[in-house]
Amino acid sequence: NAGVTQTPKFQVLKTGQSMTLQCAQDMNHNSMYWYRQDPGMGLRLIYYSASEGTTDKGEVPNGYNVSRLNKREFSLRLESAAPSQTSVYFCASTLGVAGLAKNIQYFGAGTRLSVL
Amino acid sequence: GQQVMQIPQYQHVQEGEDFTTYCNSSTTLSNIQWYKQRPGGHPVFLIQLVKSGEVKKQKRLTFQFGEAKKNSSLHITATQTTDVGTYFCAASGNTPLVFGKGTRLSVIA
Repeated sequence: NAGVTQTPKFQVLKTGQSMTLQCAQDMNHNSMYWYRQDPGMGLRLIYYSASEGTTDKGEVPNGYNVSRLNKREFSLRLESAAPSQTSVYFCASTLGVAGLAKNIQYFGAGTRLSVL
Repeated sequence: GQQVMQIPQYQHVQEGEDFTTYCNSSTTLSNIQWYKQRPGGHPVFLIQLVKSGEVKKQKRLTFQFGEAKKNSSLHITATQTTDVGTYFCAASGNTPLVFGKGTRLSVIA
């Protein structure tokens, strides 16, 4: 089982360039999330999609856009990359339906992004 | 919004010593989850606590949920080098989860 797959694993951008981080899950989960992780800051939520067709802002949405392409895929786009967006980006998914397992998060391996 | 405070931020222990990390909230939590992230890896779910006063064990790891459901702890007995990583608590029950900033554990062999 692949679980949550993120591409690419590494990326270097120049300031002002754009790129899209891809995320796909094969667990038939309803909810998907994008986090960024910086040293000492823990996991900060950028955007999430509680269900197919919906997206909501998290704690740090500025400079990012998302698309819930279908139930499996949730992409994160940087329209004009800035050095402050240098970080490790994690995609995660949850079952998202009522029950104890509703909010157990499964993470992808991460994308390490450097913006020069 | 809901916040969870996690302490300490860092902990260095000698192999064989015990380790504890604490998670505190100013509001009552529906339930709490714990995750472990190895260096260079991604967070991995360890456990979820739901009931007031609940205690769960996984080998050398003991997880507790406070009676008032406002705090939780993770205790590792006799740490090993395989325990190295960052441990996160997360307030569950609502979407999305609210993560603490984590406790980074270093184990000196």
